[in-house]
Amino acid sequence: GAVVSQHPSWVICKSGTSVKIECRSLDFQATTMFWYRQFPKQSLMLMATSNEGSKATYEQGVEKDKFLINHASLTLSTLTVTSAHPEDSSFYICSARGQGLNEQFFGPGTRLTVL
Amino acid sequence: AQTVTQSQPEMSVQEAETVTLSCTYDTSESNYYLFWYKQPPSRQMILVIRQEAYKQQNATENRFSVNFQKAAKSFSLKISDSQLGDTAMYFCAFMKYNNNDMRFGAGTRLTVKP
Repeated sequence: GAVVSQHPSWVICKSGTSVKIECRSLDFQATTMFWYRQFPKQSLMLMATSNEGSKATYEQGVEKDKFLINHASLTLSTLTVTSAHPEDSSFYICSARGQGLNEQFFGPGTRLTVL
Repeated sequence: AQTVTQSQPEMSVQEAETVTLSCTYDTSESNYYLFWYKQPPSRQMILVIRQEAYKQQNATENRFSVNFQKAAKSFSLKISDSQLGDTAMYFCAFMKYNNNDMRFGAGTRLTVKP
């Protein structure tokens, strides 16, 4: 099956710093990538959808200047949490969908802890 | 907007028994996909089973099967011969046909007891 990787798997940073999370599709071309946020014991909440080469579409309530998404190639999307604060601490999951594929393939997630 | 409802926050089942997880959804679309995902403690999302709305036949994957009732907008998951490794969060999800938008239910935490 299609494989999606995320890096790093976990990160701890100081308040005010920026953190970049990478999402890669390893064996298929991801025309669309998705970023989700998951708080403990809760469901996945879609943050944004990005298509290769174009600007991401953010869900209502998600600050686009806070969560910068870049989808520069068909295999890589990045999420940068700018000026991170403790309330940004969460589990971030990416997924990818390829041309003609009628499902999303999920990465293993990244646990972000902001001190 | 599509909504997905899982009314059972937690469930438990004895090993080797059968359990059914409920899911209902609300949509005005006629073509769409429904999914059940498993999220074990590792938190990796694992696709359990997928159903295409235009197919009347219920999807089956080994011990996992669904009861898809399109008119009632119901999509329950039945796990037969439950195993300890089935312990996980289970999420029901809806995706429009030819659209990238996937919406998840709140999840059901399933515990399989030895």
